[in-house]
Amino acid sequence: QLQLQESGPRLVKSSETLSLTCNVSGGSISSSYYWGWIRQPPGKGLEWIGSIYFGGSTDYSSSLKSRISIFLDTSKNQFSLKLRSVTAADTAVYYCASISGTYAIGPWGQGALVTVSS
Amino acid sequence: SDELTQPPSVSVSPGQTARITCSGEALTNQYSYWYQQKPGQAPVMIIFEDTERPSGIPGRFSGSSSGTTVTLTISGVQAEDEADYYCQSADTTGFYVVFGGGTQLTVL
Repeated sequence: QLQLQESGPRLVKSSETLSLTCNVSGGSISSSYYWGWIRQPPGKGLEWIGSIYFGGSTDYSSSLKSRISIFLDTSKNQFSLKLRSVTAADTAVYYCASISGTYAIGPWGQGALVTVSS
Repeated sequence: SDELTQPPSVSVSPGQTARITCSGEALTNQYSYWYQQKPGQAPVMIIFEDTERPSGIPGRFSGSSSGTTVTLTISGVQAEDEADYYCQSADTTGFYVVFGGGTQLTVL
């Protein structure tokens, strides 16, 4: 059964880079269509950040496109997110997830609360 | 517009039927999905491809689609169904994931 787990610093200083990694177990990262990141600010709704195709191509949210990078590490069966120049507005629970070819999302990781401090 | 619009809140008494709508132009040519999220937990898919229910999801959850609107119906609502519900689809180009703003279901 596919399982995903986010890891990375939970506290990031304003203007620095948020870095998260999603470790995938129970299946190969090369065998699914897409891998994605979704975030949820405290008390707010879900926001799609971006996705990476198992072949390496990416799609990013237009509102975050200038600041994000998503990449695969097939040797470690994981994928990662980098969000540059963070502000307090980037404080959120960040989820990694598997995304099907028809954009069904799941399973999800348990989520990682990342706080941006000044 | 590729936005998905949901009512912020729906309230229903136990045993009654709850209906949560989601509207958006992209729904005419993209599948819709519904997720249930309880406090402190990751979302869980409860409906996929407009009307299909994943294994393990109770039969009281159902989905329907008509034009630019999809509807999640919960028949015989139970107290445990109190949660936030999100619809999701892809944009009209098929490249981007789009979420509705979420609906908080309150069981009175």
